[in-house]
Amino acid sequence: DIQMTQSPSSLSASVGDRVTITCRASQSISKYLNWYQQKPGKAPKVLIFAASSLQSGVPSRFSGSGSGTDFTLTISSLQPEDFAIYYCQQSFSPPWTFGQGTKVEIK
Amino acid sequence: QVTLRESGPALVKPTQTLTLTCTFSGFSLSTSGMCVSWIRQPPGKALEWLARIDWDDDKYYSTSLRTRLTISKDTSKNQVVLTMTNMDPVDTATYYCTRVVPAAMHDYWGQGTLVTVSS
Repeated sequence: DIQMTQSPSSLSASVGDRVTITCRASQSISKYLNWYQQKPGKAPKVLIFAASSLQSGVPSRFSGSGSGTDFTLTISSLQPEDFAIYYCQQSFSPPWTFGQGTKVEIK
Repeated sequence: QVTLRESGPALVKPTQTLTLTCTFSGFSLSTSGMCVSWIRQPPGKALEWLARIDWDDDKYYSTSLRTRLTISKDTSKNQVVLTMTNMDPVDTATYYCTRVVPAAMHDYWGQGTLVTVSS
């Protein structure tokens, strides 16, 4: 199975901050990487697919980059509604594994 | 409008078999490229991908759980069923069904159903 490792596991940031979350795959997955946001008590929501494509309806402050084994999710200016847990998921081969999550908290 | 809804028991006893049903609307599992997956999340923990069934009836399973899982579909009823045998308290989790589109992206999710395993 492909292992997905996110860092950091949690971070504290202020509204307006630029936030970067990284995700590393245990083998090359080309650009087959998706990012999800999950708020408390809610189902996850897809933000980015294919490493850098913004899902319809997602604010442009979210962006993704990377290929191969290293990927990043960037929030250019953190908003109050962005405090949540973020997960990466590889879509290269089954089983389609998730990272352990990164919790973004208010500083 | 795409919707998915999970249904099944809220409480199961250890060693029992769990049967969950995903009832969906707004798309057809007979359409090329469409898939439905199950994902679970233990309380306070990360997402864990479980299984997927494709429009052409291809099936995929979690490596660690494959001996306990079975996924099936009833296209005429717009339903996907997941069974998990030999339930254990560590299987306590919220179980989600999702629509999966090309790029293996889970673009729509059900609200999830909490299953507790306890005697």
